[in-house]
Amino acid sequence: AQSVTQLGSHVSVSEGALVLLRCNYSSSVPPYLFWYVQYPNQGLQLLLKYTSAATLVKGINGFEAEFKKSETSFHLTKPSAHMSDAAEYFCAVSVDRGAQKLVFGQGTRLTINP
Amino acid sequence: GAVVSQHPSRVICKSGTSVKIECRSLDFQATTMFWYRQFPKQSLMLMATSNEGSKATYEQGVEKDKFLINHASLTLSTLTVTSAHPEDSSFYICGVERGVSRSTGELFFGEGSRLTVL
Repeated sequence: AQSVTQLGSHVSVSEGALVLLRCNYSSSVPPYLFWYVQYPNQGLQLLLKYTSAATLVKGINGFEAEFKKSETSFHLTKPSAHMSDAAEYFCAVSVDRGAQKLVFGQGTRLTINP
Repeated sequence: GAVVSQHPSRVICKSGTSVKIECRSLDFQATTMFWYRQFPKQSLMLMATSNEGSKATYEQGVEKDKFLINHASLTLSTLTVTSAHPEDSSFYICGVERGVSRSTGELFFGEGSRLTVL
């Protein structure tokens, strides 16, 4: 069965520093992978998605992620953190590509220090 | 702009009452909607898949008589928490598949509904 593991429930970086949020997946078939962001008391917003095209995926707000099959990873990065990036980030894998059931990781809370 | 809307965003009710949460797709038809539940500081857990014109499919461990789902139209799914108890207090989020995204698994999410049962 497909699953997602996010390493680190809480990541804290300084404003302007590199952001790296880790995600590893387990899937018996080539997966579709997603990163979503959630601001307090709000729903989820899609940051980016990997759907078997380019392995380096660029998303909104300067975020990008690289699909590495050999490492079963899909880590999220941003070169320079901004205060507005503070939020909860979820990695997700699509289960059964035709059925569109998303399985989410545990989430990583990103804190930006001034 | 938002493509999925949930209502209400917050609701407080007394124990034993029933609460209905609506999920609407605003500018496209959705034959399938997904209801997730999120406990504080935790991830989203899929509760059920709402299918337009047919019965919902519930995940293992989710009581179908407790969480009633109705998907009567292509733009509206409702989740009714029946005889709510304090342990039902949670953040409920609906996710909607869009026609163009059907092949990728991408979902569009509502703003979420925070239920507090006193």
